[in-house]
Amino acid sequence: GENVEQHPSTLSVQEGDSAVIKCTYSDSASNYFPWYKQELGKRPQLIIDIRSNVGEKKDQRIAVTLNKTAKHFSLHITETQPEDSAVYFCAPTDKLIFGTGTRLQVFP
Amino acid sequence: DADVTQTPRNRITKTGKRIMLECSQTKGHDRMYWYRQDPGLGLRLIYYSFDVKDINKGEISDGYSVSRQAQAKFSLSLESAIPNQTALYFCATSDSGTAGGLGYEQYFGPGTRLTVT
Repeated sequence: GENVEQHPSTLSVQEGDSAVIKCTYSDSASNYFPWYKQELGKRPQLIIDIRSNVGEKKDQRIAVTLNKTAKHFSLHITETQPEDSAVYFCAPTDKLIFGTGTRLQVFP
Repeated sequence: DADVTQTPRNRITKTGKRIMLECSQTKGHDRMYWYRQDPGLGLRLIYYSFDVKDINKGEISDGYSVSRQAQAKFSLSLESAIPNQTALYFCATSDSGTAGGLGYEQYFGPGTRLTVT
């Protein structure tokens, strides 16, 4: 079956630094690659997504890059701020399987 | 996001009791999902439904059942609750689009925190 792994499981950075979270998947049929952010006590919400015909997508301080050959995609957050502190999940389709999450802490 | 609502928001129940969690949406989406979230395990899919007459098991469906009463309503039942079903439960919806497949943003409800004692 589909195997989804996220690394690292926890990440601590200083405010202003960059953060990178990687998601590795096994199903070569996956063609949609979203990242969700879940703040403490809140519901997960989509922050950025990419489809398989695109290698990179950027939205202000966040970006997602995709390497379909190697079956991984990454979330990049630049100029991190304390409000970026949350748990981030990847969820490559088509199996509706979420990664186990990365807890990002941004220290002021 | 009031478009996806869940009731109750919190529930404490005893082992062996039957319990139903309800989800309603006003987004007009055909697809609805139930997930459970446990610390360190992310979100795991219990059941999903692509339309009123379509129900599919997810990776952890044992001990659960669902009912899709209407396009906007999808309920999850625990027939005989057990303590290891203590978790945070999320309902979600997504569009079906025109390209098929599963690749669309999911909109989550606020969650139901269930405790089975």
